[in-house]
Amino acid sequence: EVQLVESGGGLVQPGGSLRLSCAASGFTFSGYWMSWVRQAPGKGLEWVANIKQDGSEKYFVASVKGRFTISRDNAKNSLYLQMNSLRAEDTAVYYCATWERWLQFVHWGQGTLVTVSS
Amino acid sequence: EIVLTQSPGTLSLSPGERATLSCRASQSVTSSYLAWYQQKPGQAPRLLIYGASSRATGIPDRFSGSGSGTDFTLTISRLEPEDFAVYYCQHYGTSWPFGQGTKVEIK
Repeated sequence: EVQLVESGGGLVQPGGSLRLSCAASGFTFSGYWMSWVRQAPGKGLEWVANIKQDGSEKYFVASVKGRFTISRDNAKNSLYLQMNSLRAEDTAVYYCATWERWLQFVHWGQGTLVTVSS
Repeated sequence: EIVLTQSPGTLSLSPGERATLSCRASQSVTSSYLAWYQQKPGQAPRLLIYGASSRATGIPDRFSGSGSGTDFTLTISRLEPEDFAVYYCQHYGTSWPFGQGTKVEIK
C-alpha cells in the first residue's frame, strides 16, 4: 500500500524558515516524480513544486520561486520542501503527492499544516 | 500561463440527481493531461479522472469525464451521499494549475 507521510509543519514567524519532509513507502520512490501541493485555509488547491526522479529537474509556482527549494533522498525514500522567507500567504496545509505525466497527482499524503504568523 | 475556471461555484442537488461540473481552460489544452479530483472535508484530494475521460483505479462508473480543447465536463450520473464534496480540475502543460473548485452540496 502506498503511504506518504508529511511532517515538519508548525507555527513560524514571517520571514522565518521551515523544512517539510515526506516519508514514502509501498512503492518504488526513485521511479516517480514527486510534488508538493498546498491548500490555504478554506481555499482551493495550489501546485507548489515538482521534482524529477533523479532530482535533475525542478519546477516551482511563481509565488515561491527563489524562496522554496524542493529536494529528495532516494536512499531514504524521502521528499523535502525547504521554505525560506515565509509570508502570511504561505499559510496552508502542504501535501506531498506522486505525479505521473499521464495520470497526474495519483497518491497523496494527509498533509502538514504550516502557519505563518507573528 | 493556462488558467482553469470551474463552474458553477456551488451545485445544490439531491441524492439520485445528476451533477454536471464544468472546467474551462483559458486556451486550448491537451486533454491527455486533464484530471479531476474529489476532496472531502479534512481529507486529501483523490484522483477521479485522468486523460479527461479515464476513471482512476477504484472509481465507480457513475463518474465520467468528457471534453476537449478548452471545455471539459465531469458528470456524476446519480449522486450518492458520499459524492457530496468539492471537485477540482487540473492540467499539466508548462505548469500544473488547478481550477478553483466546485462544491457539490446537498439540497
